[in-house]
Amino acid sequence: NAGVTQTPKFQVLKTGQSMTLQCAQDMNHEYMSWYRQDPGMGLRLIHYSVGAGITDQGEVPNGYNVSRSTTEDFPLRLLSAAPSQTSVYFCASSTPWTPYEQFFGPGTRLTVL
Amino acid sequence: KQEVTQIPAALSVPEGENLVLNCSFTDSAIYNLQWFRQDPGKGLTSLLLIQSSQREQTSGRLNASLDKSSGRSTLYIAASQPGDSATYLCAVRRNAGNNRKLIWGLGTSLAVNP
Repeated sequence: NAGVTQTPKFQVLKTGQSMTLQCAQDMNHEYMSWYRQDPGMGLRLIHYSVGAGITDQGEVPNGYNVSRSTTEDFPLRLLSAAPSQTSVYFCASSTPWTPYEQFFGPGTRLTVL
Repeated sequence: KQEVTQIPAALSVPEGENLVLNCSFTDSAIYNLQWFRQDPGKGLTSLLLIQSSQREQTSGRLNASLDKSSGRSTLYIAASQPGDSATYLCAVRRNAGNNRKLIWGLGTSLAVNP
């Protein structure tokens, strides 16, 4: 298994540009989520999904959209990038059975100029 | 509201030392607690997961304990090595089922010096 994969690894955007961060997992996990990690603020949940066709907001959803058309993929869209969205983004998935252990992708480092 | 605290924020020890990392949480009604390791510029790797009904879990030189009544978990690292240098994060899961959100600590940055 490849586990949780994310692309791209690095991205630089200009303010106002849009882009999609890709996330895929091959472990047949129902639950997937997106986090951003900023110094001194820890990991904050952006959006999550409990299965194909079902998504919900986390702590910091503004400026981001998600969709879940398949079990495997959970892309994160930045609608109009802002410098405040400069961060490291992690995608995670967890097993559909107890204890719901969570697995992370390698991250995407995004800079918005 | 559940809050997770990790103290100290940073720790530097000589190689070979046994050490303890602390994780405190304010609400004892948890489902489980998970310890992660993060190397600089990398993703998070799951180390140990303790269910609320368990007292400890072990993997190699790592031992994690859980005391729900005091709202505390510790990660014990035996005979530390320079390769253990990383940030260690703990996260508490409040519920099972569909709402599986994790509440995160800010981590302890560990440096093991040769």
